[in-house]
Amino acid sequence: DQQVKQNSPSLSVQEGRISILNCDYTNSMFDYFLWYKKYPAEGPTFLISISSIKDKNEDGRFTVFLNKSAKHLSLHIVPSQPGDSAVYFCAASAGGVFGNEKLTFGTGTRLTIIP
Amino acid sequence: NAGVTQTPKFQVLKTGQSMTLQCAQDMNHEYMSWYRQDPGMGLRLIHYSVGAGITDQGEVPNGYNVSRSTTEDFPLRLLSAAPSQTSVYFCASSLSGSQAHEQYFGPGTRLTVT
Repeated sequence: DQQVKQNSPSLSVQEGRISILNCDYTNSMFDYFLWYKKYPAEGPTFLISISSIKDKNEDGRFTVFLNKSAKHLSLHIVPSQPGDSAVYFCAASAGGVFGNEKLTFGTGTRLTIIP
Repeated sequence: NAGVTQTPKFQVLKTGQSMTLQCAQDMNHEYMSWYRQDPGMGLRLIHYSVGAGITDQGEVPNGYNVSRSTTEDFPLRLLSAAPSQTSVYFCASSLSGSQAHEQYFGPGTRLTVT
């Protein structure tokens, strides 16, 4: 049972255009959502997050949107740059004993930025 | 700071062998965890720890043991390796509480079981 789904395994975008990565979830208990970025042969790195009490969070070129009624979130990257080429994982948390420590990850979307 | 370090980077085991994947962090993080990444499966939580002496199971704990005797170290033990444990293993750490979701990952250990 995949609680966090990324239905697009890959996405190609022209440099300078907008990249939109999508993620759907099924568990209504999730209250925190994150995006991680992963380069080959490296561990994932935290990119941006959003709490369920918000519907938008921005950090520079990266914006995450949350639609709780649709159980859907998206990551927008504007403008896309060649260094953004990586695998992007959506993750969600339902809280824990000490906080939001247990993460459930999606399967990832490989983003390729075309120069 | 070295961050989260993992050793070894690569390992080949025969079925039935045992080994320990090492993980250490120098950021004084309370929370540490182990994930495995398989093609088409994303990252799945194996075991986690919210502090020294406290561990718990994640989504896929079978075949793995952990212990947390110090804040810095969180080794993952495979007692009897099986081909199904061929995977890339990532260790992660974070502060507890509201910052626990911003997890810092190590570079990974690629394990092949033949």
